[in-house]
Amino acid sequence: ILNVEQSPQSLHVQEGDSTNFTCSFPSSNFYALHWYRWETAKSPEALFVMTLNGDEKKKGRISATLNTKEGYSYLYIKGSQPEDSATYLCAFSGSRLTFGEGTQLTVNP
Amino acid sequence: DGGITQSPKYLFRKEGQNVTLSCEQNLNHDAMYWYRQDPGQGLRLIYYSQIVNDFQKGDIAEGYSVSREKKESFPLTVTSAQKNPTAFYLCASNIDFNSGYTFGSGTRLTVV
Repeated sequence: ILNVEQSPQSLHVQEGDSTNFTCSFPSSNFYALHWYRWETAKSPEALFVMTLNGDEKKKGRISATLNTKEGYSYLYIKGSQPEDSATYLCAFSGSRLTFGEGTQLTVNP
Repeated sequence: DGGITQSPKYLFRKEGQNVTLSCEQNLNHDAMYWYRQDPGQGLRLIYYSQIVNDFQKGDIAEGYSVSREKKESFPLTVTSAQKNPTAFYLCASNIDFNSGYTFGSGTRLTVV
């Protein structure tokens, strides 16, 4: 079983703060790195699927970068809002998708 | 609207019983997946199917069975052989190997 690690496990920030999380994954047999947002009582929602080393993707205030050679990805949220509160999951796609345990973000108004 | 429907939302099972969790999608996706979530753990893959009439074991397949007779449907049976079935179960699908997954809303199974 592949090891996908996310840090921190949880994070509390104030509205307006910018924040970032880390996902580390095996650097061999890489196909893609996925990021999902999972709000309470909802289904996980795909944010990004990244395939190339050096990829940077952006969706509104959320962006992500990818380094496949060293096996890490960062997710950034600029100017956090209370509606950004959710668990953010990353998943490594080798022969199958393997999920990390997630970073639980709470944005206080 | 296209999506994935899981039912029921909550399910209670007695010891020794088999139960089947339903997963239906109208997205025309070829690949479907079953994951299990336990407190403090990431999603773990139970079974997956990349095409009708074919499926593969994931990381924790023991005590589970699946079928894929139709493209739209991928039911999961939790058998009495599953030692610790109480968990939250998520079904997902995607159109190809490297596209984002679409998830259902989950089924919470409790053994009573």
